[in-house]
Parts: sequence; structure tokens; C-alpha cells
Amino acid sequence: EIVLTQSPATLSLSPGERATLSCRASQSVGGFLAWYQQKPGQAPRLLIFDASIRATGIPARFSGSGSGTDFTLTISSLESEDFAVYYCQQRSNWPPLTFGGGTEVEIK
Amino acid sequence: EVQLVESGGGLVQPGRSLRLSCAASGFIFDEYAMHWVRQAPGKGPEWVAGFSGVSWSSPTIGYADSVKGRFTVSRDNAQNSLYLQMDSLRPDDTALYYCVKDKGIGWSYFDFWGQGALVTVSS
Repeated sequence: EIVLTQSPATLSLSPGERATLSCRASQSVGGFLAWYQQKPGQAPRLLIFDASIRATGIPARFSGSGSGTDFTLTISSLESEDFAVYYCQQRSNWPPLTFGGGTEVEIK
Repeated sequence: EVQLVESGGGLVQPGRSLRLSCAASGFIFDEYAMHWVRQAPGKGPEWVAGFSGVSWSSPTIGYADSVKGRFTVSRDNAQNSLYLQMDSLRPDDTALYYCVKDKGIGWSYFDFWGQGALVTVSS
């Protein structure tokens, strides 16, 4: 099973700042990684898939990069609606499909 | 518009069974893999089970180790429905269970989620 480790656990930032979230895989997943956003009381929402492709309707301030074992989600300038928990997920080696433990982006 | 509506959740005693259903609409159901993903209170999502789309090379069904042998996923393409039969339930199965559409016919990413069915296992 591929284990995904996200860091940091919590990121405290102000609106307008840049957010950089990390996801590290226990073995290579190639480019087969996605990012999700989850707000309280809501289901997760797909943001990025195949490491760098934005899902339908996702704003350009969200970008993904990386390959192999190290991946990054960048939010170029935080908006108020971006404060949420973010999860990465791999589809390289299944079953199982696995998620990371999450990074909470909170308002500083 | 894609819609996924779960039903069948509730409070159940340890060792008992429960069956979740998911009614899907707004897309060609049999062309996509479908999954169950759960989320325990205060925790991250955990993939539970998946079922490939009908045109996949051969039907592919898989389970997380934590539920293998206890849970059974099935789908009725004529009824646009996905099911999860959960037997020998344990307290650590307590979670919100989401019905989730895959982006593709095989197993990849989760592009649409239902609102979830809450399952509580407690005596």
C-alpha cells in the first residue's frame, strides 16, 4: 500500500498570501496524484488530477506540480473561501486507492 | 447535472449488518467506475470499495483491507445504482459513507461525491 504523507498539518496564513502544501508518497506514483479541498460539512471537491491538471471550474490560482514521490499544491493568493482542509490521493497502485492525512489551511 | 444520493445509513449494533444504496443520475452510469469512500468523525477520507465500469477489460472489484471479507460492493447498471452490503459491523466502521463517481471507467480519481450516509456502530 502506498502511504501519502502531507505537510504541514496546519498552515496559518492571511488572505492574499501564497500557500504551499506538500504531499510525499512512500513509493513513486508517477504523475498519478490528485488534490481535493474539503470545507466543514461538505464532501471533498476535486481540484487537481494527474498532478497538475485543474478539474472543471477550478480557479487558476490553484496549481499542482511534482512527479514520482514529491508533489506540491500551490494557492497563489488565498481568498477567504480557500480556508479549508486539503487532501492528496494516489491512483498509481491499487487497490487500495489512498489519501494523505490532510493539511488544514487556517486564517492567521 | 450529476447527482448521487445515498440511503440506508443508521444506528446499528456491533456484529449486525446494514446495506447502503446510492441512486445515480446525470451521467451514463455503466461507463464509469464507482466507489464507496468513508470518513470517520474528525478524520480524513478512506477509500472502502470500488467497482469498475462495464466496459473495463474485466470487471474489477476491490476492497480496503479493513473491510475485506465483511463488506460487499455491487452495482445494478439497469437501475443506475450502487450498493454496499456491510456485515459484521464494528465500532470503528462508524463514519459518513460517501458514494463517489470515478473520473473514468477504471479506477482513478473521484470527481463527484454524494452528501453521505451516516453509519453509527454502537451498542
